[in-house]
Amino acid sequence: DQQVKQNSPSLSVQEGRISILNCDYTNSMFDYFLWYKKYPAEGPTFLISISSIKDKNEDGRFTVFLNKSAKHLSLHIVPSQPGDSAVYFCAAGEYGNKLVFGAGTILRVKS
Amino acid sequence: EPEVTQTPSHQVTQMGQEVILRCVPISNHLYFYWYRQILGQKVEFLVSFYNNEISEKSEIFDDQFSVERPDGSNFTLKIRSTKLEDSAMYFCASSETGPDYGYTFGSGTRLTVV
Repeated sequence: DQQVKQNSPSLSVQEGRISILNCDYTNSMFDYFLWYKKYPAEGPTFLISISSIKDKNEDGRFTVFLNKSAKHLSLHIVPSQPGDSAVYFCAAGEYGNKLVFGAGTILRVKS
Repeated sequence: EPEVTQTPSHQVTQMGQEVILRCVPISNHLYFYWYRQILGQKVEFLVSFYNNEISEKSEIFDDQFSVERPDGSNFTLKIRSTKLEDSAMYFCASSETGPDYGYTFGSGTRLTVV
């Protein structure tokens, strides 16, 4: 099931710079998209979401952009902080119950 | 901050044995979920539960799996006869209004089948 793809397994960014995490999807029926962050030995933590009727949603240092024609979304973190180092999962769903997760991208923010 | 609690944090079981993974969702949440993550693989949906019944399940969630909300606070996942390939992190999640505003996940139960 490759409906949600995160093609970069890892990303390394200097503290204070922008982190851009990318996600592609194939199912045009997805209505909403979410980003989760996961630290080792913890469950995923919800970060930010966007519905298919929007192209941008912002929450503090986190902004999610949605390009429906390209079936692409991205998460921007600015400025990046060392505490942002974690695995970031993109997830998508139709209005219903389940989410489909990407494989995750490991973000390392270097100080 | 309210959290989803899962017990145990780690469970080791013999192949063929039954296991029950326990979860206490956030008290005012109405939607409950189980996901799992096999080491090195994606987080995969297993089942969703609303209004005391399964609302959706994946192909992974076969007859060996069942869920229950026995007492209005706990939400359990039972695997009747465990297989080696059931070894994974199992995450419980809950949400107030459905998945589009994000779930709250528990910290997971690591199930090891030997």
